[in-house]
Amino acid sequence: GQQLNQSPQSMFIQEGEDVSMNCTSSSIFNTWLWYKQEPGEGPVLLIALYKAGELTSNGRLTAQFGITRKDSFLNISASIPSDVGIYFCAGQLRGTASKLTFGTGTRLQVTL
Amino acid sequence: NAGVTQTPKFQVLKTGQSMTLQCAQDMNHNSMYWYRQDPGMGLRLIYYSASEGTTDKGEVPNGYNVSRLNKREFSLRLESAAPSQTSVYFCASITSGRFGEQFFGPGTRLTVL
Repeated sequence: GQQLNQSPQSMFIQEGEDVSMNCTSSSIFNTWLWYKQEPGEGPVLLIALYKAGELTSNGRLTAQFGITRKDSFLNISASIPSDVGIYFCAGQLRGTASKLTFGTGTRLQVTL
Repeated sequence: NAGVTQTPKFQVLKTGQSMTLQCAQDMNHNSMYWYRQDPGMGLRLIYYSASEGTTDKGEVPNGYNVSRLNKREFSLRLESAAPSQTSVYFCASITSGRFGEQFFGPGTRLTVL
């Protein structure tokens, strides 16, 4: 099936550092979303992007919908311990109404 | 508003046993989804229901059946469980017009021995 290449797979950073992760695909997406999952919980939506080039922020999080419609990135500024979790990108392929394709996740660890 | 609820939270089955995972949402959403999550593989779509009365296969439907009982409820059934179905199962829902903004339940952790 269609896959999203998400990188990096894991990150170990110190509190206060900025974080950047991205997703790429060979296919064109209509929508890009970023989710965060904490242990024992379901994914929670962080940011949704609907237009190529769109840059959207949610507090310390900023995400962009790539101009080619084939990629997206998520930045977290000034990380804090509660940022720990797995971050997933997800995309809705053109012509596949309502269905999402998920990346394999970036596991973020924040040390004090 | 409870959002998306799933039962049970944990389940252990023996190979060949059957069970139904329950999902309900109270957000009046039209579309509902069942995913499985395995280590290192993200979430994979098993089945979805774009609207009440319709169901369609996702990426990994083999070994599963679903029922969209009404607008609120969407159940996933394993008729004869296999160890390969050991996974965490998530239900999600979305309202029409907001493509992709799916809301997820807390998950069911299933182990098949």
